[in-house]
This record gives sequence, structure tokens and C-alpha cells, in this order.
Amino acid sequence: ETGVTQTPRHLVMGMTNKKSLKCEQHLGHNAMYWYKQSAKKPLELMFVYSLEERVENNSVPSRFSPECPNSSHLFLHLHTLQPEDSALYLCASSHDSGGNEKLFFGSGTQLSVL
Amino acid sequence: TQLLEQSPQFLSIQEGENLTVYCNSSSVFSSLQWYRQEPGEGPVLLVTVVTGGEVKKLKRLTFQFGDARKDSSLHITAAQPGDTGLYLCAGIYNFNKFYFGSGTKLNVKP
Repeated sequence: ETGVTQTPRHLVMGMTNKKSLKCEQHLGHNAMYWYKQSAKKPLELMFVYSLEERVENNSVPSRFSPECPNSSHLFLHLHTLQPEDSALYLCASSHDSGGNEKLFFGSGTQLSVL
Repeated sequence: TQLLEQSPQFLSIQEGENLTVYCNSSSVFSSLQWYRQEPGEGPVLLVTVVTGGEVKKLKRLTFQFGDARKDSSLHITAAQPGDTGLYLCAGIYNFNKFYFGSGTKLNVKP
């Protein structure tokens, strides 16, 4: 148990569906991240929130829309996805203190887009 | 262009063997981390190395940061089936920008 919980663990959706991924951290951290993990590729950083403000957006398509209502919760809203968006989506948190941060990851949501 | 290259991509060995995996880059990092990821789970931090030339030991795992802070290695002595997993290195810029390699998938057979 890492203190970071992601739901759902698995999600199958059609290209016209709208769904949301949820992440919750119980560690008192003030930074949260979304990463995409595809087979044989490095983890791709998608979004970073620090103190609920988005500080990083790595040219992610607009069909992915993040939301951070408070420092403990992070959402990733999905709509009109493509089959190539199928991947493991990992949420992480860290204590953004200006030092050498450590990432604590959730177990991920395995997403399949049909 | 991949910022961090990990090698080998796959490694299958017998229990009790030694192994080394590598993480190389042309970029200089403020620090570098190693994570292990088991199937169905997220990565878990093993170690952070900060100083060029630094060596850290975690039981049977030995981590080394290159003198120029561009590369790192992970050596496992007498591998156990419990060491099976995906080993990821992450270079860190400016304390909170993490860039991951594509990983080394290790399988240790009993």
C-alpha cells in the first residue's frame, strides 16, 4: 500500500464514450502527476499539479482533461479517445519541497479503447 | 529521442546469478532514481543517488551514479525470484521533473 489509490483498476471504453479516472493520495503531498505507460516505451509525463495549480502539460491531446480540485484528489477526464490511447495510466504524488522529490505511485488504471 | 536509455531491455536468469543493468544518457541530472515495478502495480522507489560517483547498497542491490551524473548502474548479487520485475531509472531535473527510461524487464527463474 503506497498511500495512492487509483480507480478504476481496469476500464474498457468505446471511442465515443466519456469516462474519468480518479486518484486519491493520503500522504499529505502537495504535488500530483499523471503518467502514461505503454508497452516498450518510457513512462510519459502527461500533467503535473503543484498546490492544485497545473505546472506541466506535456503537449497532451485535448481529449485528455485533468482536474485537481484539492491537493488530495486528481482526475483525468477522457472523451473521444483513440485505440492508441490504450495504456496503463499511473497517478503519482510527491512532497514538492524544492529538494530531491520521491514519487509515490498508485497501481494504475489499465485502459483499453475499442 | 529517448532521454534515458536502459539496457538490456530483457533479462532472464537463474536464481543465484549476478546481473547488472545500465541507464545511460547524454544529459546531466541533478539526481537519479531507480524504481521497481511488479505486474499490476505502480513503480516503487528503491534508491536516489545524488553525487557523482556515489555508490549505495540496499541488501543485495548496489547502485552507482556515474562521475559526470549522466549514467547509472544497478547490480544485483545472487538474484532471487522475488527480484523479478521491471526496473526503471528516472533522471531528475530541477528537483521535480522526472524523466524515465523504458525499463529492464528481469525474470529470475527458481
